[in-house]
Amino acid sequence: DSGVTQTPKHLITATGQRVTLRCSPRSGDLSVYWYQQSLDQGLQFLIQYYNGEERAKGNILERFSAQQFPDLHSELNLSSLELGDSALYFCASSETQGGNTIYFGEGSWLTVV
Amino acid sequence: AQSVSQHNHHVILSEAASLELGCNYSYGGTVNLFWYVQYPGQHLQLLLKYFSGDPLVKGIKGFEAEFIKSKFSFNLRKPSVQWSDTAEYFCAASGGYQKVTFGTGTKLQVIP
Repeated sequence: DSGVTQTPKHLITATGQRVTLRCSPRSGDLSVYWYQQSLDQGLQFLIQYYNGEERAKGNILERFSAQQFPDLHSELNLSSLELGDSALYFCASSETQGGNTIYFGEGSWLTVV
Repeated sequence: AQSVSQHNHHVILSEAASLELGCNYSYGGTVNLFWYVQYPGQHLQLLLKYFSGDPLVKGIKGFEAEFIKSKFSFNLRKPSVQWSDTAEYFCAASGGYQKVTFGTGTKLQVIP
């Protein structure tokens, strides 16, 4: 158990819908990362937050947004969902904004039908 | 910009064979290096890491990696693989305030 908690574990939704994925980082970790993993694209970095502020941005679509709240939990919002958004979404956390080991949650499986 | 390269995308080995997975990084300044493993259907787990000191790092399950600064490499090794080592392996690097950068991963298939 890495200490990073993600909900929901599985989610099936229709195209055009909006979903929210939730992540609680390890106790004491200030940085949260979101990754998307699919068969065709592999592991893709989406976005990083550090102590409530956006720190780094990767291949995140405009339809996707994220935020980190004062209690350090984070949410990833996916809207206008398309079939191609079906993937495993990982949250990870680390103590600081860079350099340290990052620890992954078990992921949220999203299936768009 | 920092980058991590894993040149082997898919490796197939028989049980008891030796394993070496390549990883090269491009990073300015002090670098921290990691190997993560993802077993089928599971999340990424830390296998080993190098921050400083002895460049030969030993991790869990008999894995080790060697940091060779002159070659910008951090190859993962295991003398004798088992069927249970079938997984995807990710090399990663970070440094200073820079976030961790992952390689594209190497899928290892071990045949009994």
